Amino acid sequence: DAGITQSPRYKITETGRQVTLMCHQTWSHSYMFWYRQDLGHGLRLIYYSAAADITDKGEVPDGYVVSRSKTENFPLTLESATRSQTSVYFCASTDAWGEQYFGPGTRLTVT
Amino acid sequence: DQQVKQNSPSLSVQEGRISILNCDYTNSMFDYFLWYKKYPAEGPTFLISISSIKDKNEDGRFTVFLNKSAKHLSLHIVPSQPGDSAVYFCASKSGGSYIPTFGRGTSLIVHP
Repeated sequence: DAGITQSPRYKITETGRQVTLMCHQTWSHSYMFWYRQDLGHGLRLIYYSAAADITDKGEVPDGYVVSRSKTENFPLTLESATRSQTSVYFCASTDAWGEQYFGPGTRLTVT
Repeated sequence: DQQVKQNSPSLSVQEGRISILNCDYTNSMFDYFLWYKKYPAEGPTFLISISSIKDKNEDGRFTVFLNKSAKHLSLHIVPSQPGDSAVYFCASKSGGSYIPTFGRGTSLIVHP
């Protein structure tokens, strides 16, 4: 399917476990982003990437790791999940200076 | 400190009336502004944008107004429809940056 996809859509994990959220886009957009959405905070940028092998921290990067070995994939890893990382996570991409295209989101619950 | 502020967490409007969603920004370097719409259990989708060289941009029922001197923009929806019920995010970018700064969103409810 064309567009931007995220998997899994829902995930429940335990505190201390490692979990990886996947993001895949088919447009060959250069720029990709990870956001988390929490009540009262809107969309907060976790990490972003300008191209394969180029990543940088956003507003709330602590506890997260990203990689981008291929243009189309941008996985987000929680190395040791904490309850404060319970959130809805959105991946997005853009080709340049225009609007972003968002994935459907992953709802993560850390117990 | 928030650079993009949506001071109304929620707005309730009657079907057929006008909905006005407001957004204020503090960074004078912002020169491109976007509105996104988000339904529950879905990702945000782009709605409309405006460059700082304009003060108005219209797309069907949606119009965005920009007041640069006041550092304020607003989204007008006329007429409002129940399907417009969603969370609306304002976002701003500066100087060719590809990274927008988002507001916290306004939840719009349009009553039939």
